[in-house]
Parts: sequence; structure tokens; C-alpha cells
Amino acid sequence: NAGVTQTPKFQVLKTGQSMTLQCAQDMNHNSMYWYRQDPGMGLRLIYYSASEGTTDKGEVPNGYNVSRLNKREFSLRLESAAPSQTSVYFCASSPREGGSGNTIYFGEGSWLTVV
Amino acid sequence: GDSVTQMEGPVTLSEEAFLTINCTYTATGYPSLFWYVQYPGEGLQLLLKATKADDKGSNKGFEATYRKETTSFHLEKGSVQVSDSAVYFCALINQAGTALIFGKGTTLSVSS
Repeated sequence: NAGVTQTPKFQVLKTGQSMTLQCAQDMNHNSMYWYRQDPGMGLRLIYYSASEGTTDKGEVPNGYNVSRLNKREFSLRLESAAPSQTSVYFCASSPREGGSGNTIYFGEGSWLTVV
Repeated sequence: GDSVTQMEGPVTLSEEAFLTINCTYTATGYPSLFWYVQYPGEGLQLLLKATKADDKGSNKGFEATYRKETTSFHLEKGSVQVSDSAVYFCALINQAGTALIFGKGTTLSVSS
């Protein structure tokens, strides 16, 4: 089972460059998420999409844009990368928005370094 | 707002020792609670969950009980193995029901 697939797994960017992290899920889930993980900070929500065609800001959206291309795909774009965006990025999906017992499934992560 | 507080690590144990990782939460209402595990170089995997007060989640020898009176969801295992070495995250569904709110994670290191 593929589950949640992210690309690329590793990327090094120069300050000011742009890039897009791709995410796709094959579980027919409605909701998708982008988190970033930093040492000692746990995971923080960047953006989420409750359904195809909708996106909302999370805890740390500044410097990022997202696109819910279709039900399967949810991309994260850095328009002008900054060293503060060096992090591990996780895409995730869930069957529905919130609710009791909802379970969120994670991709394997994308390690991004901005120099 | 909603939040999760975990004991800080690292936690270092010998094989077959008893494990407790404390987790407390602040939330409106009765959120669902989760423990996720992250092995080195990998993504997060759901370890167990509980959806209402007094529920006990269990998986792979790990257990956690949803305690409303103490707003806690402590993770326990009676006998840890080297293969349990990982980072453990406590989490809850946020008030809006839109995403997980995570604690900062606790690193567990088990030696033989």
C-alpha cells in the first residue's frame, strides 16, 4: 500500500529560490495536511485542506502557499526560501475533517535545507 | 487554545525495563487523543488512540488510558525492547476538528 507519498525526500535550496513539495494519497481521503517538524518543537501545522478545492491556514503559514490540485494531491510551495524554512516537512491525510476517532496518516517526510 | 505537554527526554532505559511517558493536555470539550511513534529517518506512525474518557488504547504492548479528571494520556509499556527506541508524540484533535496538535516529542533510547 502506497498510502501518503511525498517528493522529493531530500532537497537543498539557496536562499531566495523557490520549490514545490508534492504529496499524493491513494486512500480516497478528504482531508490533507502539511506539517513541519523542528527540533524541540514537535510538529506544527502549516496548511490544511478539508476537501478538494478548499485550503486553510494552520499555525505557521507564513512563507508558504498550497494547492489542492484534486482529491489525491496537495502541494506545498516555498516562493522565496529562507534559512528559517530548513525543516522536515510531512504531508498527511485523513478520511474526514476532525471528528471523534479520526486518524491522520503521514508520509515519510521531506528533508529541506536552505543555505 | 488546545495544547499538549509531554515529559522532556531523552528517556534512557535498559531492555525489559518499565516505561512511562507522561502526557497532559488542555482542550475544550473531549478531544480524541493519540500516541504516534517516529523511528529514525521515517515518518510518523499511529501507535494507539482513545476517543473518550476512560478508554484504553493499546498496541504492541503499549497502553494509554484517557483520564478526563487529570487531563492525561500517559504512555506505558511493561517491558521495553531495543526496537522500541524512537521518538514518541502525544497528540489531540484540535477544537475545530481540523488537525492534530502535537506535543514536542519524547526520545526513548533502549539499550541491551
